[in-house]
Amino acid sequence: GEDVEQSLFLSVREGDSSVINCTYTDSSSTYLYWYKQEPGAGLQLLTYIFSNMDMKQDQRLTVLLNKKDKHLSLRIADTQTGDSAIYFCAESPPAYTNKLIFGTGTLLAVQP
Amino acid sequence: NAGVTQTPKFRVLKTGQSMTLLCAQDMNHEYMYWYRQDPGMGLRLIHYSVGEGTTAKGEVPDGYNVSRLKKQNFLLGLESAAPSQTSVYFCASSTGSQPQHFGDGTRLSIL
Repeated sequence: GEDVEQSLFLSVREGDSSVINCTYTDSSSTYLYWYKQEPGAGLQLLTYIFSNMDMKQDQRLTVLLNKKDKHLSLRIADTQTGDSAIYFCAESPPAYTNKLIFGTGTLLAVQP
Repeated sequence: NAGVTQTPKFRVLKTGQSMTLLCAQDMNHEYMYWYRQDPGMGLRLIHYSVGEGTTAKGEVPDGYNVSRLKKQNFLLGLESAAPSQTSVYFCASSTGSQPQHFGDGTRLSIL
């Protein structure tokens, strides 16, 4: 079945790099996404990567995709206290419905 | 642009009551989705719609109904609320293979 897994919690110091990991099971997923959820808010799209790419960089964010191991990671450089949030990865299995399968989310706590 | 708007933002119901959650999007998106978010379980898809007049079941559809009479609106109904439906409900919309855009959520408590 479809299952996306993430670790539940990550704590880093301000200024350090954060790496949030995700594993997925559907190797035919076309897109993989990272969403950010701040307390009491909805999900904000951070970045996404097409399945034929290995890496995507967007300012402080770097996404790495290892299709062989079905592993996705999000690296946040120079982590700030404003980055404290829950981060969800999601995969999009190929279908005209554009449905997403979400991971359980990783709570990132940034210590000043 | 308002994006995706959900109403109400908060609601408390008694067991057995009914209510409707409204989602409206102004981006002319074809696809709309309803999710529920529970601690430690991420977001789970309840129902979705790929166009006006169409609906389909997601991962956890039991106890919910939906309607998409207008392209911009997607309604989620609870006919007889149960405590297990206490959750945060999110609506999202998208077009084609583009990323989904989310509303700010509705926090629903069933007593």
